[in-house]
Amino acid sequence: GENVEQHPSTLSVQEGDSAVIKCTYSDSASNYFPWYKQELGKRPQLIIDIRSNVGEKKDQRIAVTLNKTAKHFSLHITETQPEDSAVYFCAASTASGGSYIPTFGRGTSLIVHP
Amino acid sequence: KAGVTQTPRYLIKTRGQQVTLSCSPISGHRSVSWYQQTPGQGLQFLFEYFSETQRNKGNFPGRFSGRQFSNSRSEMNVSTLELGDSALYLCASSYYPGTGGRSTYEQYFGPGTRLTVT
Repeated sequence: GENVEQHPSTLSVQEGDSAVIKCTYSDSASNYFPWYKQELGKRPQLIIDIRSNVGEKKDQRIAVTLNKTAKHFSLHITETQPEDSAVYFCAASTASGGSYIPTFGRGTSLIVHP
Repeated sequence: KAGVTQTPRYLIKTRGQQVTLSCSPISGHRSVSWYQQTPGQGLQFLFEYFSETQRNKGNFPGRFSGRQFSNSRSEMNVSTLELGDSALYLCASSYYPGTGGRSTYEQYFGPGTRLTVT
C-alpha cells in the first residue's frame, strides 16, 4: 500500500518567515494530494490540494508544489503569522470508485513565534 | 449553512462492548468518510459512503463497520471494543464536482467523537 513520509515533524519559525513542509509518497498511482491544518483541539481543515496533472497551485500565502517523478510534494507558507501555528498533515490519495483513498503523513507541528 | 455534526462528542466504553457513532453532513453533500486519529498511528482512513453505499474502505478489521441513510447521515459501529480503539473518530462531509452543479471539491470535518475504551 501507499506510504507517506512527512518532514519535519516540528518546525519553528519567526513571524514573517517562510515555512516549507515536505512529503514523499511511494505509490505512483496516487493522483490527489490534499493538505490539512489542525489547530490544537480543533477539527482538521482542508487548506489546499493539488492533482497530479498540475505542478503548482497557490492560494494567497500558501502554495503546494508536486514533483511526480520524484514522488514528493511540498507545502509553502509565506509571511507566516502566529495564527498559522497548527499541525499540518499531507495526504497522498489514489482514485477509487469515484473518490479517493487517502494515506496521511504523520503531521508537522508548525510554531510561529511573534 | 450548518456544519458537520457528530454525536456523541465524548464516550467511555468498556472492552468488549460495542459503540455507534453518528455523523450528519452538510446539506447537499452526499459523501461521508470516517477517520481514526490517534497519537500513535496518526490519521487513518476508515471508510467512505456515498448515496448509501460504501465506496471505499481502509485497512481496518471487520469490527469497524458503517452505513449511510437516505438523508446522507452516517453511522459507524465498532464491535467488541479493544483498548487500542481509544481514539478521536472524525467524519468528513464531501462534495464532488459533477454531482450537483458546483465545480469545486469541498470537504469539511466534524468536531469528532472522543472514544475512550477502559
